[in-house]
Amino acid sequence: KAGVTQTPRYLIKTRGQQVTLSCSPISGHRSVSWYQQTPGQGLQFLFEYFSETQRNKGNFPGRFSGRQFSNSRSEMNVSTLELGDSALYLCASKQGAPNYGYTFGSGTRLTVV
Amino acid sequence: SQQGEEDPQALSIQEGENATMNCSYKTSINNLQWYRQNSGRGLVHLILIRSNEREKHSGRLRVTLDTSKKSSSLLITASRAADTASYFCATAANQAGTALIFGKGTTLSVSS
Repeated sequence: KAGVTQTPRYLIKTRGQQVTLSCSPISGHRSVSWYQQTPGQGLQFLFEYFSETQRNKGNFPGRFSGRQFSNSRSEMNVSTLELGDSALYLCASKQGAPNYGYTFGSGTRLTVV
Repeated sequence: SQQGEEDPQALSIQEGENATMNCSYKTSINNLQWYRQNSGRGLVHLILIRSNEREKHSGRLRVTLDTSKKSSSLLITASRAADTASYFCATAANQAGTALIFGKGTTLSVSS
């Protein structure tokens, strides 16, 4: 079956702009999470959606937001981009039960200039 | 802040040798997972061990969990060049097993 699909793969934006990243989870996976990966901070949890509801949120400013649609597809939005937002953004999906691992997408590499 | 901390940060071995990576975490957990990442791409789930399990095997992988010491180890036996990657442990503290907290990872280099 198809894996987790993230679009776009690469993105270059200017400071102050906003960006929307998209994620299509594995069919049947209702839990979708987003992570930010940077060389300095490593992998950090952004938020998790389950059945269109944000169930958990990491320690990120309000400029970072997300949503999930009825087909489980998810988007994350970053407004007023800063240089420090340059990172690999990873989306992951899993089955609803607790003891299953995540399937990750290949990520969106965002560069803010 | 990071929940899991891997040790060592980097490991270089020859093909056929075993590789052991350790992970420590700070709070109580629901489960602990190990992931592999090749060259800044997406993570691949390797194995999950529940908080009430002590050891788990999957092919050439062996994971142990000691909840009293809040630590875990990942052993890769008979390493291959294709095992060259970064390895991360991740803990799930909530009931849903989500909101993973990752360590900074161990970079494994296997030379032929």
